[in-house]
Amino acid sequence: NAGVMQNPRHLVRRRGQEARLRCSPVKGHSHVYWYRQLPEEGLKFMVYLQKENIIDESGMPKERFSAEFPKEGPSILRIQQVVRGDSAAYFCASSPVRASGNTIYFGEGSWLTVV
Amino acid sequence: SQKIEQNSEALNIQEGKTATLTCNYTNYSPAYLQWYRQDPGRGPVFLLLIRENEKEKRKERLKVTFDTTLKQSLFHITASQPADSATYLCALDGDYDKVIFGPGTSLSVIP
Repeated sequence: NAGVMQNPRHLVRRRGQEARLRCSPVKGHSHVYWYRQLPEEGLKFMVYLQKENIIDESGMPKERFSAEFPKEGPSILRIQQVVRGDSAAYFCASSPVRASGNTIYFGEGSWLTVV
Repeated sequence: SQKIEQNSEALNIQEGKTATLTCNYTNYSPAYLQWYRQDPGRGPVFLLLIRENEKEKRKERLKVTFDTTLKQSLFHITASQPADSATYLCALDGDYDKVIFGPGTSLSVIP
């Protein structure tokens, strides 16, 4: 059984470029969550999506960041015009139903470095 | 404001002893609380979930308590082993079913 698959695992971008991070949830899971983790810090919630819907994006920066979870294919976290402060580990998690009272399963993360 | 706090200092304990990690929260009314383990360079891994109507939960050498009056959860690892060294995260349910994490506590078990 494949768990949550994230790619790329490591991504280097120059300032001003775009970064696209992909997340394939556990098979059958329709709920996806994205978190950001800065060095020596905890996981910060970014966005919660269900298929074709954004449920809660209260943790997403207002500009340059967007997320989608299409009917077919992986969830994508897109960061436009990256800046050095975007360097972080980005984790995706999924659950079969709403997270409340249920476990969420994490991928191994995508490490973004902006140079 | 809403806040989740865990042991601010890293925890170092001797092998075989019981490690106790603390999670305190303010301005949340969680229906459940979870504990995760995270190793360096890896994603968090679920360990235990405890609901608001449960006082205590156990799984092998792990025990979690949940006191909604004190707004606190305690996470115990008995007979600790060097392999238990990791960062431990507590998490609770926030608005709209999203899972909110604390900053984590780094545990080192010394042989």
